[in-house]
Amino acid sequence: DAGVIQSPRHEVTEMGQEVTLRCKPISGHNSLFWYRQTMMRGLELLIYFNNNVPIDDSGMPEDRFSAKMPNASFSTLKIQPSEPRDSAVYFCASSLAGGTLTDTQYFGPGTRLTVL
Amino acid sequence: AQKITQTQPGMFVQEKEAVTLDCTYDTSDPSYGLFWYKQPSSGEMIFLIYQGSYDQQNATEGRYSLNFQKARKSANLVISASQLGDSAMYFCAMRVSGGSNYKLTFGKGTLLTVNP
Repeated sequence: DAGVIQSPRHEVTEMGQEVTLRCKPISGHNSLFWYRQTMMRGLELLIYFNNNVPIDDSGMPEDRFSAKMPNASFSTLKIQPSEPRDSAVYFCASSLAGGTLTDTQYFGPGTRLTVL
Repeated sequence: AQKITQTQPGMFVQEKEAVTLDCTYDTSDPSYGLFWYKQPSSGEMIFLIYQGSYDQQNATEGRYSLNFQKARKSANLVISASQLGDSAMYFCAMRVSGGSNYKLTFGKGTLLTVNP
């Protein structure tokens, strides 16, 4: 079975540019998570979707960040305009049912974003 | 608030030996789940093993086992017969029951190096 798919794997852009990260969750999973990983802050949850609906976006840093999930098989995380401090690895994860203790989140390979 | 502490920034082990990676947690919730993930240098986050707070036995998955000591609030990962491919960053994570039960709280990780 295919795992979580993310694209691109690497993105280098200049400050001020728009960046769009893409994610395809595991088929049949109804929960989707976007995380950011940095050396300083570790893994941070940015936003959580359940059945395509954003449930918790309290981790989104600021208005420059937005996320959508138009259908069960696709989600985007957009940064506009991008800043150097956005440089990080962005992970998408999916799970069968976000609201149970045993629910396991499966991560994609991540997108390494560098903003110059 | 929940907290995960991994006190070992780095660990070294000889190939074929066993190694224990420490994880302590803090929560007042009696119902919780504990997870371990592996992050090799390629960057992806790989789920390894899960332990529930009410599970009577320690979890095992192949060469991975979890030494769960509830009274001490510790959930140490034991890797038996280490292999070179086990060299990676290892993260302990926790989820508790309640309103935000989809959230995983991660530790800062332990970098394991397996020497030939």
